[in-house]
Amino acid sequence: KQEVTQIPAALSVPEGENLVLNCSFTDSAIYNLQWFRQDPGKGLTSLLLIQSSQREQTSGRLNASLDKSSGRSTLYIAASQPGDSATYLCAVGGATNKLIFGTGTLLAVQP
Amino acid sequence: GAVVSQHPSWVICKSGTSVKIECRSLDFQATTMFWYRQFPKQSLMLMATSNEGSKATYEQGVEKDKFLINHASLTLSTLTVTSAHPEDSSFYICSAPIPPYNEQFFGPGTRLTVL
Repeated sequence: KQEVTQIPAALSVPEGENLVLNCSFTDSAIYNLQWFRQDPGKGLTSLLLIQSSQREQTSGRLNASLDKSSGRSTLYIAASQPGDSATYLCAVGGATNKLIFGTGTLLAVQP
Repeated sequence: GAVVSQHPSWVICKSGTSVKIECRSLDFQATTMFWYRQFPKQSLMLMATSNEGSKATYEQGVEKDKFLINHASLTLSTLTVTSAHPEDSSFYICSAPIPPYNEQFFGPGTRLTVL
């Protein structure tokens, strides 16, 4: 059974810092991995999608990496801003497109 | 990115009533949609896969007679919570994957409160 864990559970940083969020999964037989952000009481916003054959994806200040063999992904956020404050979720997808979600990292960027 | 809408965004109902939640893909067709529920300060839990033209498939532990799913068209899936009770109060979110990479897009969620 696939299990997805995110570390840390919560993180508080001053504005401008670069930071790394971690995601690990137990079964390396994944189809893709997706990173999302969720604002309180809202739905999920897709940030980055990495296919199983890819090593990383970049979008603006965000960079996500994937090491399938070791069951790890990282989300790197450069020059963090208060508007980045949210819960970040990683999710691994299988061939059936079902997503298994991690436990989430609550990020607070202090102005 | 693609747009998925949900209606209503929130609903309050009395115990014993049924509530229908709609999930629509606004700018693409979705043969498959997924329904999740999320409890406060917890992650998302997959409830079921909604399939256009066929029956939904439910995850283990999810009562299919309690949570009725109908995928009426390529742009609409509905989740009906039947005979709702306070323990069904939760945040319900739908999603749809878009080929070829199957990136999933989520609706804004529906907050259900059962009194």
